[in-house]
Amino acid sequence: DQQVKQNSPSLSVQEGRISILNCDYTNSMFDYFLWYKKYPAEGPTFLISISSIKDKNEDGRFTVFLNKSAKHLSLHIVPSQPGDSAVYFCAASRGLTGNQFYFGTGTSLTVIP
Amino acid sequence: DTAVSQTPKYLVTQMGNDKSIKCEQNLGHDTMYWYKQDSKKFLKIMFSYNNKELIINETVPNRFSPKSPDKAHLNLHINSLELGDSAVYFCASSQVRESEQYFGPGTRLTVT
Repeated sequence: DQQVKQNSPSLSVQEGRISILNCDYTNSMFDYFLWYKKYPAEGPTFLISISSIKDKNEDGRFTVFLNKSAKHLSLHIVPSQPGDSAVYFCAASRGLTGNQFYFGTGTSLTVIP
Repeated sequence: DTAVSQTPKYLVTQMGNDKSIKCEQNLGHDTMYWYKQDSKKFLKIMFSYNNKELIINETVPNRFSPKSPDKAHLNLHINSLELGDSAVYFCASSQVRESEQYFGPGTRLTVT
């Protein structure tokens, strides 16, 4: 049962433009969400997180938005750079009461120079 | 100064064999994890472990067992390997159980 879904397996964006990666979840008990970035032959690297008490968190070019009523989060990258080309995973957990992170299947982002 | 390291990076073995994958973290984290990424790229937790508690995902066969000689190491032992065990296995660690995780580079296991 996949509780976290990334329905777009791939995305191509021009350099300098905005990249928007989407993630949906089914479990309303999730209260902590993360995005990871993964290059080939490497492990995922933590990028940014958001708690359910917020609806937005920003870190440089990366912003994560959370819509709890829609059970949806998105990662915005502005401006997109070629080095951002990677697979992006979203993950969710039940925070302090949980011990598991549930991952989506990833979206492969290609930023075209 | 790799934060989370795994050995070996690649492992090719035959069905029925027993193998181990080693993981070490030098971050001083309290919690370590093993994940399996299957052919569909689905990253699924197998175990989480700190010095107090081992949490096992109930879908993991008991042929898989984590062994932690100390806080910095969590090794994965797999008995009687099957074709379906072929996957990439990632080790990870976190400061506490609820915080973001730092992943190792992965071990690609191929069972023939």
